[in-house]
Formats: sequence, structure tokens, C-alpha cells
Amino acid sequence: SQQGEEDPQALSIQEGENATMNCSYKTSINNLQWYRQNSGRGLVHLILIRSNEREKHSGRLRVTLDTSKKSSSLLITASRAADTASYFCATDEIQGAQKLVFGQGTRLTINP
Amino acid sequence: KAGVTQTPRYLIKTRGQQVTLSCSPISGHRSVSWYQQTPGQGLQFLFEYFSETQRNKGNFPGRFSGRQFSNSRSEMNVSTLELGDSALYLCASSSNGVTGELFFGEGSRLTVL
Repeated sequence: SQQGEEDPQALSIQEGENATMNCSYKTSINNLQWYRQNSGRGLVHLILIRSNEREKHSGRLRVTLDTSKKSSSLLITASRAADTASYFCATDEIQGAQKLVFGQGTRLTINP
Repeated sequence: KAGVTQTPRYLIKTRGQQVTLSCSPISGHRSVSWYQQTPGQGLQFLFEYFSETQRNKGNFPGRFSGRQFSNSRSEMNVSTLELGDSALYLCASSSNGVTGELFFGEGSRLTVL
């Protein structure tokens, strides 16, 4: 079963524009992570935000977390062609098996 | 530091056969977890091993099994393959547990004919 649901499923923007992806989840969590996956390859960890944090930055990435709405957003500023990939949010539930549960992902395409 | 290594990268099997996939974690990482990725179901957690013990298991049938060796290398086995087992199998390692930052390998792409 999926804990996180990403929105939109696909996003296509021009190089230089900002890209925003959203993730919603169902249960209380310890932390939320974002990963990137280039086509058919392994996932790469981008950022982790803890449940007591509201915003976190890493380079061109900005992540927000709203635990009251059970949602998170990932903003990529000044997008580049190399940002073309699928982006997944992953959560670990406070109760239940210790595992990361991934959303279905957002397919981001950056057009030159 | 070498990353997570998965072998083989690609393989083709027929229904009813079995397959073994291998994963070498980052040196010093004791936790290895496995995920199945398909277009329809997305990323599904299979199981996690820590110090040679299975700590967590996902909702997969008993045909899916795994083990971890004393050097933290892990293998997963799928017996009596079905068409629906065609997927990208991803291994991830971490230093302290399955809910922290995971380091993924490139995956093993299994096609069942």
C-alpha cells in the first residue's frame, strides 16, 4: 500500500523555471524524505525533513512539511535539463513496521 | 567509498524458474533493504536485514526470500517465477536503519517470460 501520494503525476516545464511537487500521506510520521530517480536507475536521496521541522533547504531544493495537513512539497528552483527525473517522497510511520513507504512519484521533464 | 553494487543488472527468466539477486552494501553499512519497483505498484518494500537477521518484512508471498551474510552482503531469491514478478529490484543500504537515508544500487532488471 502507498503511504505517500504525489501530485502532479507528471510535470513539464521550461529550463530556468521553478518546479513544485506535492506529496500527501496518511498516518503520523517520524520524517519524510525526497528521492530522485533517473530513468530505470537507482534512487538518489535528496533531502530528509523531520516531523518537527517545517522547512528545509539544500542548494536549489526547498522542502516544506505540514504535519497538520499531512503534506509536503518539493520546490526545485532555476531548473536545469539534468533535473529531468522522477521524484518520490518517502515516509516512515510512527506506528507499524519500520520501513520507508514511497509514493508513486512525479515525472519531471525540463525542456531546453 | 564504493556505492551499493547489485548483480546482475539484467536478467531474463521463464515462468517457474527461480532467481537469485545479489547486493553488496556500502562498506560499514549493516542494514540492507530490498524493494520491488513496477509501473503499476510503484516501489514496494520487500524486506530488511540487519546483522544477518531479517528485521522487517513487506507483504509479499513466501516465494520471495532473502538472507544476509556476515560481511553484510545480501541476496534475495524468488522461486517459481510468475510473469508479474517482472520488475526492477532495488537494494538499499544504510548505516543505522531502514527509515533513515537510504543509499540505493542501480537495480536488477528482471524479465519473466
